[in-house]
Amino acid sequence: SQWGEENLQALSIQEGEDVTMNCSYKTYTTVVQWYRQKSGKGPAQLILIRSNEREKRSGRLRATLDTSSQSSSLSITGTLATDTAVYFCATTNYNVLYFGSGTKLTVEP
Amino acid sequence: AQTIHQWPVAEIKAVGSPLSLGCTIKGKSSPNLYWYWQATGGTLQQLFYSITVGQVESVVQLNLSASRPKDDQFILSTEKLLLSHSGFYLCASGTGDERLFFGHGTKLSVL
Repeated sequence: SQWGEENLQALSIQEGEDVTMNCSYKTYTTVVQWYRQKSGKGPAQLILIRSNEREKRSGRLRATLDTSSQSSSLSITGTLATDTAVYFCATTNYNVLYFGSGTKLTVEP
Repeated sequence: AQTIHQWPVAEIKAVGSPLSLGCTIKGKSSPNLYWYWQATGGTLQQLFYSITVGQVESVVQLNLSASRPKDDQFILSTEKLLLSHSGFYLCASGTGDERLFFGHGTKLSVL
């Protein structure tokens, strides 16, 4: 498996709180992507971070990548109820995109 | 902007029956295309990818096959469904190390 943590994690927070989700991967990659999937929909990419970047921001999102520990994180500041979704990190190897097990985030209004 | 249309939206099929799911991409010429499967509450597993018409690479064996008969079309099929085929099937376009754009998916229930 590409991933260290295989169980879907679940987080439940209140609107307005900040949240950080983590993932670790086993094999070498030059890119980590984060996707969000809302119920019954296909995933949508949120942010992509490359191995030469330690941090990437996009609006309320912040991704980090630590290639030495092979881990990445996604933080969301000031969460909204509409951020409720499953969040996946993903790495690429030869035309195959491997998704982690995901974090199910519920933001209560 | 590219759009991905998947059909059907949902299917209920009997074990042992055949299946054909389709995907059409508009707004992008010669796209890389992918099929993913997702069990309920699970992660996404890449099944196939295709870089060009007529060429399909298999990533995992799930007793499914895929074909790319046209530049903008990707088909997933099997002659005999298993219970384990139930789940959510997603077609995607793009490049794995940049961004994948996903369709809305097909929900398959095998009974």
